[in-house]
Amino acid sequence: QKEVEQDPGPLSVPEGAIVSLNCTYSNSAFQYFMWYRQYSRKGPELLMYTYSSGNKEDGRFTAQVDKSSKYISLFIRDSQPSDSATYLCAMGGSARQLTFGSGTQLTVLP
Amino acid sequence: DTEVTQTPKHLVMGMTNKKSLKCEQHMGHRAMYWYKQKAKKPPELMFVYSYEKLSINESVPSRFSPECPNSSLLNLHLHALQPEDSALYLCASSQVARGDYTGELFFGEGSRLTVL
Repeated sequence: QKEVEQDPGPLSVPEGAIVSLNCTYSNSAFQYFMWYRQYSRKGPELLMYTYSSGNKEDGRFTAQVDKSSKYISLFIRDSQPSDSATYLCAMGGSARQLTFGSGTQLTVLP
Repeated sequence: DTEVTQTPKHLVMGMTNKKSLKCEQHMGHRAMYWYKQKAKKPPELMFVYSYEKLSINESVPSRFSPECPNSSLLNLHLHALQPEDSALYLCASSQVARGDYTGELFFGEGSRLTVL
């Protein structure tokens, strides 16, 4: 079993839809949780960062961490074609050594 | 625009060549990283530098040689690479606070390496 599991998709949604992206993990020592967005042939861009548990909101993006279930989520409201990218979750017990999920490829259709 | 700058953006080299990838950041971050990313795969950690000292080497073959000349610069020297080393090489940086890394990695756009 991988330490971090993420559905690779691909996921296609119409413009304006609410998108839910998820990762599960097995290591209870993880306390740093991040979501990155990566456009094709570009480096990953940090979207959301959470230390320990709880929710965080930034504009159209909401990140949730449920440590009891070892489950993290990223919600995108009012999705736009410009949100089309691969979304990577990343987490770790030490911030030096993050484990990335395999990424979910999202396409938002106009 | 990313504040981590990587050069070159593209590099093609033969298996006998020696080349270097360069990374620069001016955010005052004291941790710098090299990651390798193959197509449709997540980034894989190669090296971590903290305060210009190598702190993590993820069992990377010696044909990859990192160097951190100062707090803003990170190099990856390449020698005798194999075709399977073709990938996107990503540099990242992060703050170090109270002796720990904050985990907020800021990535460059990457150097796409092709080994013939």
